[in-house]
Amino acid sequence: EVQLLESGGGLVQPGDSLRLSCAASGFTFSSYAMSWVRQAPGKGLEWVSSISATGNTPYYADSVKGRFTISRDNSKNTLYLQTTSLRAEDTAVYYCAKNPQNIVLVTDWFDPWGQGTLVTVSS
Amino acid sequence: QSVLTQPPSVSGAPGQRVTISCTGSRSNIGAGNDVHWYQQLPGTAPKLLISVNTNRPSGVPDRFSGSKSGTSASLAITGLQAEDEADYYCQSYDGSLSGWVFGGGTKLTVL
Repeated sequence: EVQLLESGGGLVQPGDSLRLSCAASGFTFSSYAMSWVRQAPGKGLEWVSSISATGNTPYYADSVKGRFTISRDNSKNTLYLQTTSLRAEDTAVYYCAKNPQNIVLVTDWFDPWGQGTLVTVSS
Repeated sequence: QSVLTQPPSVSGAPGQRVTISCTGSRSNIGAGNDVHWYQQLPGTAPKLLISVNTNRPSGVPDRFSGSKSGTSASLAITGLQAEDEADYYCQSYDGSLSGWVFGGGTKLTVL
């Protein structure tokens, strides 16, 4: 069974940094692209970032470009999202999700999703 | 404001049929990009319901179906059940934004 388990969320102040992790199991992690999607409290879903299976090709939403960095360690079956210069509007549950193949394509969907980790940015 | 437009809410009685629309533009659905649908039960993570416009992953009941035409897509749910009460989201790719986009979500209430 495919499992994705996020961790690393918490309460931080504006301008702080946080590294989110997503531990994957139940599939060959190194063969699939992965993504982060977030959901602000009571709001809809927002794609944040995606990365190819090799980790060579990252993609970012304009809202996080230059502040967030996606990466992965295929030897540890773990996906990361390094967040910096956090703002109040970054407050959200951050989900990691598996893409359908090894490269990121415009046709991609996200399946499955982890249970999410909450990031709260507040002074 | 979401790039893909969904009605905020829909409702129906048990056993009825409801549809949820997802309206885009020439830079996303109208560009030929696929539409995918997700179900989010209260307090849980989203779950893939329909991929590539019409495909149901294994385990998804055939009461759920998707369609796409022009700049819009629709999710139909037949034989409504209480357990279908959830938020539903459409998703596609937007070439102008160079990223994947979601609809604002539709809350389905089973009366």
